[in-house]
Amino acid sequence: GNSVTQMEGPVTLSEEAFLTINCTYTATGYPSLFWYVQYPGEGLQLLLKATKADDKGSNKGFEATYRKETTSFHLEKGSVQVSDSAVYFCALKGNYGQNFVFGPGTRLSVLP
Amino acid sequence: DTAVSQTPKYLVTQMGNDKSIKCEQNLGHDTMYWYKQDSKKFLKIMFSYNNKELIINETVPNRFSPKSPDKAHLNLHINSLELGDSAVYFCASSQVPRENTEAFFGQGTRLTVV
Repeated sequence: GNSVTQMEGPVTLSEEAFLTINCTYTATGYPSLFWYVQYPGEGLQLLLKATKADDKGSNKGFEATYRKETTSFHLEKGSVQVSDSAVYFCALKGNYGQNFVFGPGTRLSVLP
Repeated sequence: DTAVSQTPKYLVTQMGNDKSIKCEQNLGHDTMYWYKQDSKKFLKIMFSYNNKELIINETVPNRFSPKSPDKAHLNLHINSLELGDSAVYFCASSQVPRENTEAFFGQGTRLTVV
């Protein structure tokens, strides 16, 4: 079945540091890939998405590129802010009406 | 307007009780979901439902049942609550079968069983 693996957290960075959160997936066919963010006490919000190989999703300074050859969708941001502290989920949705599958989440804490 | 709304936001109840969580979406989506998020933030699909098909995660106890009065609503009923049911429950919706569309989530219901 489809699955998503993310780097284990928590990740603690200083403000303005570079962020990478690794995500790899296993899926049949050509899934769509997503990054969701969950701020404390809130639901999940879509951060960015990519629907085919080599697509780059971007939003709020975050980027991720759909790499089919390495089955990866790593999240990056050049300069994190304290307000980026949250839990980040990598997810995929397979073809043929399959459900969304989420990774275990990576907690990011950004210190001033 | 909130796209996916759940009520209540917090629910504290005793073991053995029966409770319901309501979910409504105003996005016109075909498919709705219920997810359970445990204390480690891991998200587990419980159900997906559209007006044609209910898909149940086989690991979900039959004490949990979804009820959909119409396309915009998917409520979650839980019978004989147990301590292990304590978690945050999220409702979500998406437009299936368009595979490239994202899921929209509600704010979650934190269920505490005492």
